[in-house]
Amino acid sequence: AQKITQTQPGMFVQEKEAVTLDCTYDTSDPSYGLFWYKQPSSGEMIFLIYQGSYDQQNATEGRYSLNFQKARKSANLVISASQLGDSAMYFCAMTAAGNKLTFGGGTRVLVKP
Amino acid sequence: DGGITQSPKYLFRKEGQNVTLSCEQNLNHDAMYWYRQDPGQGLRLIYYSQIVNDFQKGDIAEGYSVSREKKESFPLTVTSAQKNPTAFYLCASSVHGIAGEQYFGPGTRLTVT
Repeated sequence: AQKITQTQPGMFVQEKEAVTLDCTYDTSDPSYGLFWYKQPSSGEMIFLIYQGSYDQQNATEGRYSLNFQKARKSANLVISASQLGDSAMYFCAMTAAGNKLTFGGGTRVLVKP
Repeated sequence: DGGITQSPKYLFRKEGQNVTLSCEQNLNHDAMYWYRQDPGQGLRLIYYSQIVNDFQKGDIAEGYSVSREKKESFPLTVTSAQKNPTAFYLCASSVHGIAGEQYFGPGTRLTVT
């Protein structure tokens, strides 16, 4: 079985500062994928970034980077230079061994001007 | 533009009525999914289909039914057997089956009174 844990229910960040969202995972399969999605108040889920378990380097997509620490089973999302439009719910998710995508409980981010 | 459409955005029904939520995609994806999201929580998988005329139960399939007669369409019926149908429903699709990156529709918010 696979499990995703997001321990931060909500957090504030000052505009233009960086923020780190925590995500830990658990799986016994050596091959897995980790995803981060953003959900604004409108409800749609927006894919942000992907990290494969065999990827040697941390994934980056614009202002988003994934701090992948395999030994600690963590996949934290770092948002640099926060913008007001970054205020949203953020979900970490994983899939392993062709199994379904499992989501964490989410972290709500509120960017303050 | 390619994407996933869900209609309507908001849906209201009386208790005891079946209701069907629409999901259409023009991305030519083989796999499609239905998720349920309750307030302040993550997504839970209801049903998924990796190919036309085939589908599997997810984690919370009781009280729901689906069909996959066409590649681009995956309607979800919320039956009267579903004890707590009021929720936000998200449809998704992916290219490479259940382990791949999923693209989401805008969601349907169902309220049953």
